[in-house]
Amino acid sequence: EPEVTQTPSHQVTQMGQEVILRCVPISNHLYFYWYRQILGQKVEFLVSFYNNEISEKSEIFDDQFSVERPDGSNFTLKIRSTKLEDSAMYFCASSDWVGAHEQYFGPGTRLTVT
Amino acid sequence: DAKTTQPTSMDCAEGRAANLPCNHSTISGNEYVYWYRQIHSQGPQYIIHGLKNNETNEMASLIITEDRKSSTLILPHATLRDTAVYYCIVRALSGNTPLVFGKGTRLSVIA
Repeated sequence: EPEVTQTPSHQVTQMGQEVILRCVPISNHLYFYWYRQILGQKVEFLVSFYNNEISEKSEIFDDQFSVERPDGSNFTLKIRSTKLEDSAMYFCASSDWVGAHEQYFGPGTRLTVT
Repeated sequence: DAKTTQPTSMDCAEGRAANLPCNHSTISGNEYVYWYRQIHSQGPQYIIHGLKNNETNEMASLIITEDRKSSTLILPHATLRDTAVYYCIVRALSGNTPLVFGKGTRLSVIA
């Protein structure tokens, strides 16, 4: 069964460093999302992406964050200058069409900022 | 913010049916009810969705009240692998609308 993959599974970085989290959505999917989950808290929406543009973003997704689909398969989340409070699990998700009910989530990247 | 209310936690004996309630009294006519679950910090997993009618798939059944203000997810024969946090989400299906997660119900299936 097709699945969303994410790399790395765990990333440790120092405060102020840039990180790029990578996702490979399911191959025929057109809609992409990033969510995050701080330890012990709710899953929070960050951004949605379609047709090489951001469709919607939350208040969390400030100027420190950016997303890109650099080729036909990868979908990346960049955090320009990490802060301690960026430590969280970051989940990528995708869906196949505008009327799709199901979002398929990847296994997540655990980001630890020290 | 999430538009749903769920109990914080529930226990269920292995092999028995798990019935997870959800209140969504402010649901709009164009909003669906979705259930996802998250097993131990893995990515959330879709279970089932419905609009007005009751629904069943290979994983679960979804019972929606006639006034649509509440619903129940039923896992007919819970196993230890069903131990997870279960999220009830209401969402209008327009474009790539994001999912808004609440705190969910932590279901513990006990042997």
